[in-house]
Amino acid sequence: QKEVEQDPGPLSVPEGAIVSLNCTYSNSAFQYFMWYRQYSRKGPELLMYTYSSGNKEDGRFTAQVDKSSKYISLFIRDSQPSDSATYLCAMSPPNTGNQFYFGTGTSLTVIP
Amino acid sequence: GAVVSQHPSWVICKSGTSVKIECRSLDFQATTMFWYRQFPKQSLMLMATSNEGSKATYEQGVEKDKFLINHASLTLSTLTVTSAHPEDSSFYICSAPSGRGQFFGPGTRLTVL
Repeated sequence: QKEVEQDPGPLSVPEGAIVSLNCTYSNSAFQYFMWYRQYSRKGPELLMYTYSSGNKEDGRFTAQVDKSSKYISLFIRDSQPSDSATYLCAMSPPNTGNQFYFGTGTSLTVIP
Repeated sequence: GAVVSQHPSWVICKSGTSVKIECRSLDFQATTMFWYRQFPKQSLMLMATSNEGSKATYEQGVEKDKFLINHASLTLSTLTVTSAHPEDSSFYICSAPSGRGQFFGPGTRLTVL
């Protein structure tokens, strides 16, 4: 079983839709949770960072962590064509020398 | 956020030659950097962990003699693809941790003819 599972999609939504991206994980020691956005032929860009359980909101993006279910989500409100990219979740336990575990990424296309 | 740069962004080389890719943390120091490889429409594959002042740690299946890593300073790690072959053509990305999160370079596209 992989440490982090993420549906690769592809996911296609109309402009203005609410997008829900999800990852599950198996290691209960994970404490730090991140979402990255990667445009084609570019390096991943850190979007959201969350510590432990709870919600975090930044503009149109909301990250949720449910440690009891080992499930994290990224919601994108009022999606725009410029949101079309691959979204990767990442997580790490504390005190591991910066070892991060990544999902495979979900490809999102927002159709104008 | 922290900035990581890579150079070159794109390189084409002939089969059998060696190519060096640089990864720099511009506004922070990184004792550890990570090197990834990504094929089209696939996820990041961790190749190795670069450690300043010590040997790199390679993931299973990654040839350490083919992918030479040198962490020369707290802001620079280099990946040298030795005797490159067409199957080494890929997108190589480095990253470095800084405070909250890990920050990626823009990537280097390697094409081996």
